Amino acid sequence: GAGVSQSPSNKVTEKGKDVELRCDPISGHTALYWYRQSLGQGLEFLIYFQGNSAPDKSGLPSDRFSAERTGGSVSTLTIQRTQQEDSAVYLCASSFGEAEQYFGPGTRLTVT
Amino acid sequence: GQSLEQPSEVTAVEGAIVQINCTYQTSGFYGLSWYQQHDGGAPTFLSYNALDGLEETGRFSSFLSRSDSYGYLLLQELQMKDSASYFCAVASPGFQKLVFGTGTRLLVSP
Repeated sequence: GAGVSQSPSNKVTEKGKDVELRCDPISGHTALYWYRQSLGQGLEFLIYFQGNSAPDKSGLPSDRFSAERTGGSVSTLTIQRTQQEDSAVYLCASSFGEAEQYFGPGTRLTVT
Repeated sequence: GQSLEQPSEVTAVEGAIVQINCTYQTSGFYGLSWYQQHDGGAPTFLSYNALDGLEETGRFSSFLSRSDSYGYLLLQELQMKDSASYFCAVASPGFQKLVFGTGTRLLVSP
């Protein structure tokens, strides 16, 4: 079956512009996570969705970041007024709410 | 706060055994996971320990000591394809999030 997919794979944007990153989780997975990874660093938790519960937004670094998950499936991470420090790989993962998370290939965001 | 410490880099030769340690200071500990990430690739799940002791999965084993806030990943019969970054991650209750360490880069040479 298909794994987690993300689009676009690469995004170059100018400082101050808004961007939207998309994640298609594995069908049937109830939990969806967003992380970001700066070059040579570990993964930083951003936000977590589980079923119809309110999302855990505790990892979002500022109010410029937001995410939604429609119909319990596809998720979109939006970054408004992008800054250079937002440059990173944004990774989406999904799971059945268990230990094993399945990661997508990521979106490499470059803010110039 | 939450923090996980791992060695930044480990080198070994093919066929050898290597141990990657992870110490953590977190609140709400639920378990310790290990992920492998090749350059340019997505992290892939290797193992999870919720209880103290050793979990074995083929050439890889993972150990946890909750009283010492310590775990390790043991890789046996190393192969060139094992060259990658390895991350330990602490799971919060209900797996609401994973807090990752900064990763250990393993270099396997012939």
